[in-house]
Amino acid sequence: SAVISQKPSRDICQRGTSLTIQCQVDSQVTMMFWYRQQPGQSLTLIATANQGSEATYESGFVIDKFPISRPNLTFSTLTVSNMSPEDSSIYLCSVGDGGAGDTQYFGPGTRLTVL
Amino acid sequence: QKEVEQNSGPLSVPEGAIASLNCTYSDRGSQSFFWYRQYSGKSPELIMFIYSNGDKEDGRFTAQLNKASQYVSLLIRDSQPSDSATYLCAGLLGFQKLVFGTGTRLLVSP
Repeated sequence: SAVISQKPSRDICQRGTSLTIQCQVDSQVTMMFWYRQQPGQSLTLIATANQGSEATYESGFVIDKFPISRPNLTFSTLTVSNMSPEDSSIYLCSVGDGGAGDTQYFGPGTRLTVL
Repeated sequence: QKEVEQNSGPLSVPEGAIASLNCTYSDRGSQSFFWYRQYSGKSPELIMFIYSNGDKEDGRFTAQLNKASQYVSLLIRDSQPSDSATYLCAGLLGFQKLVFGTGTRLLVSP
């Protein structure tokens, strides 16, 4: 499976600011996804990052709050904008291997705390 | 009704026993199902996936899928303390959209 890295691994931010999270893959992948895992909760899909076009957002998530870029097949960013304490979560990127079962593999995650 | 449901646990088993983790789903259109293991503070790690009715074995792990009953399970044989983690069941809905259950916490005691 692909090797996935995320930056930063963790951050503490002030209310009202924005943070951009980077996801880098060591090989070209077609599908990249962004998830949120709130404290004590399971994973929720935020959006699918599409290369060369706008991301596809899930219900409850909007581009103004979570803008996503996907400039090529190995890299994507997620920005958490105008943060509030409710945005404190772990943000994870995943990649689809395009093979049997449409398996997804996850990066190490970014732990965000908003004060 | 949640699309993928799991008992949150904790499920406690002694070392060497079989741990049985269960998951139900509501969308009959779901075709593939995945089991991930997540250690505290870490990201989910894929254990295995299944998309055909019946059993699929990989080492100490066996996934079972029953589409008629909309039921997925994961059996862990010869459970070890290192298996203590949260196990996430996920179903594939639509085009590569994974929907996760809330996870079952497994505790394996020495």
